[in-house]
Amino acid sequence: AQKITQTQPGMFVQEKEAVTLDCTYDTSDQSYGLFWYKQPSSGEMIFLIYQGSYDEQNATEGRYSLNFQKARKSANLVISASQLGDSAMYFCAMREGILTGGGNKLTFGTGTQLKVEL
Amino acid sequence: DAGVTQSPTHLIKTRGQHVTLRCSPISGHKSVSWYQQVLGQGPQFIFQYYEKEERGRGNFPDRFSARQFPNYSSELNVNALLLGDSALYLCASSQGAGLYNEQFFGPGTRLTVL
Repeated sequence: AQKITQTQPGMFVQEKEAVTLDCTYDTSDQSYGLFWYKQPSSGEMIFLIYQGSYDEQNATEGRYSLNFQKARKSANLVISASQLGDSAMYFCAMREGILTGGGNKLTFGTGTQLKVEL
Repeated sequence: DAGVTQSPTHLIKTRGQHVTLRCSPISGHKSVSWYQQVLGQGPQFIFQYYEKEERGRGNFPDRFSARQFPNYSSELNVNALLLGDSALYLCASSQGAGLYNEQFFGPGTRLTVL
């Protein structure tokens, strides 16, 4: 089974609208972390937001928020008030805990290409 | 403060050749991880080094090797290059090696194998 599943290969959103990028994950660990990264065409991975498995509140960072539903094993990224500069590839990633030899290893999904339109 | 730096930015090699990619972590960071990102896919974990010791290895053949130096910089070596090794190679650094250490990525080295 895929550890990280992103089912939306491409998404379009109008400028100033909100958009939700889906991510589901699979792990047997109780302790893990979920991350979202943005990758512009230049290639660099830019960290957006982090959610720990024991965090009771959903993470927020400016216009980014993470809709964490632990029972459903989903960690969707919500971008509010989209801007043209948000057009990029977005990756969901997971770092698993000691039980599965996590360390610093990140497991990435296949990504969602977001296009913000005027 | 300087971020993670990688060199070279682009590289073209032919099949069978050897390549060395370099990474300098953020000052104070002791852990370096390497990822391979083939076009159209998410990055795949190759190696993690912490305090000059290998802490993790992904599902890559023995043609891939790496090391970390006393100044915490790192090299990724790939022998006997194949066409399928063409990819963006990303380096990430973090302060520690554990679950809650945020990783910062460099701009990557784009390797093309002809």
